[in-house]
Amino acid sequence: DQQVKQNSPSLSVQEGRISILNCDYTNSMFDYFLWYKKYPAEGPTFLISISSIKDKNEDGRFTVFLNKSAKHLSLHIVPSQPGDSAVYFCAASGESGAGSYQLTFGKGTKLSVIP
Amino acid sequence: EAQVTQNPRYLITVTGKKLTVTCSQNMNHEYMSWYRQDPGLGLRQIYYSMNVEVTDKGDVPEGYKVSRKEKRNFPLILESPSPNQTSLYFCASGTGGPGELFFGEGSRLTVL
Repeated sequence: DQQVKQNSPSLSVQEGRISILNCDYTNSMFDYFLWYKKYPAEGPTFLISISSIKDKNEDGRFTVFLNKSAKHLSLHIVPSQPGDSAVYFCAASGESGAGSYQLTFGKGTKLSVIP
Repeated sequence: EAQVTQNPRYLITVTGKKLTVTCSQNMNHEYMSWYRQDPGLGLRQIYYSMNVEVTDKGDVPEGYKVSRKEKRNFPLILESPSPNQTSLYFCASGTGGPGELFFGEGSRLTVL
């Protein structure tokens, strides 16, 4: 059963507008959430994260919102730029039984920013 | 420069021919992990290691082996590759805490 869901495989946005990428999770034990960005032929790179004790974290053009009651988080990119075109993975972290934190990834959303 | 290095980056092989994908990190991380990325399936964890000589299965371990004899290295071994192991593989390392993982650039493997 998929614990982290990104229900939109793709998203197209006009340059300068807002991009909103959504992510839902089912495991209430997750307490840390991350977004990764992946360009073709490269490994995923960390973009932004949020702890479960917060509901918002902002870093420049990128803001992540967390709604714990709905088990939902979203990544907002404002303004969107063509260089933001990539696959975005949502990931959730919780302590595993072995004592380490395991990351569970969603399937990704491919964002295309149209000039 | 902090990095995770994987080799080879690209490999075409045939069914049954053993191969090893190496992974090395220079950040003194205790935690290392292997993922595979397939279309429509995202990143799925194959194996992970919390420290030297400590490894455990992820979500899709069948057909793979790993070892962690040194802190910096975490090779992925395919003893008898099959076509369903054709995929893009990523190695990652981290502190083992809730924070970010650092990924290698990926190894694209094709098994004929």
